[in-house]
Amino acid sequence: DGGITQSPKYLFRKEGQNVTLSCEQNLNHDAMYWYRQDPGQGLRLIYYSQIVNDFQKGDIAEGYSVSREKKESFPLTVTSAQKNPTAFYLCASSQAGAYNEQFFGPGTRLTVL
Amino acid sequence: DQQVKQNSPSLSVQEGRISILNCDYTNSMFDYFLWYKKYPAEGPTFLISISSIKDKNEDGRFTVFLNKSAKHLSLHIVPSQPGDSAVYFCAARQIYNFNKFYFGSGTKLNVKP
Repeated sequence: DGGITQSPKYLFRKEGQNVTLSCEQNLNHDAMYWYRQDPGQGLRLIYYSQIVNDFQKGDIAEGYSVSREKKESFPLTVTSAQKNPTAFYLCASSQAGAYNEQFFGPGTRLTVL
Repeated sequence: DQQVKQNSPSLSVQEGRISILNCDYTNSMFDYFLWYKKYPAEGPTFLISISSIKDKNEDGRFTVFLNKSAKHLSLHIVPSQPGDSAVYFCAARQIYNFNKFYFGSGTKLNVKP
């Protein structure tokens, strides 16, 4: 059945290492998003992509990179330049159009040691 | 600068009573508003939405009210059930950018049996 998958659910990395978080959707949605959630805060937009091979920075893009080579996939790389990478990362997708909600994956908890 | 605010971090309600969750926004260009429900370690799931041309939208036990002049929306849950215990996020989107959503910090609802 259709949905968004994120893997892995928990990820541990040493400081200074780059790490890539996976996000795949089979909903045939055009738009995909990456958010970060920290305790006591709302979801903050990192990057979003409206179509394949195109993406825009969100509010907190520094230290992150993305690619959108396929409609189904929108991986997020957390680079060593990200000062505080430990967080809960959420991927979402939505249909193009005016009044469409976002569908979220289960999230990846990244802990940098 | 947070454009969507949920000023109550938590709310406790007795089963069967009404739960009212509040959300304020500052951007008058927002034209679409959504509520999401989130359980721990899971992604948010869409609950209900409202466009700026309406002031009320109902779906079963859930009703969202929009007061544009006050830049305020609220989610009413009647009657509240223990399974409603979760974190509720409101989100908003502006008319000229369909793909960028702004989220509040969430309100944790606890429905006591």
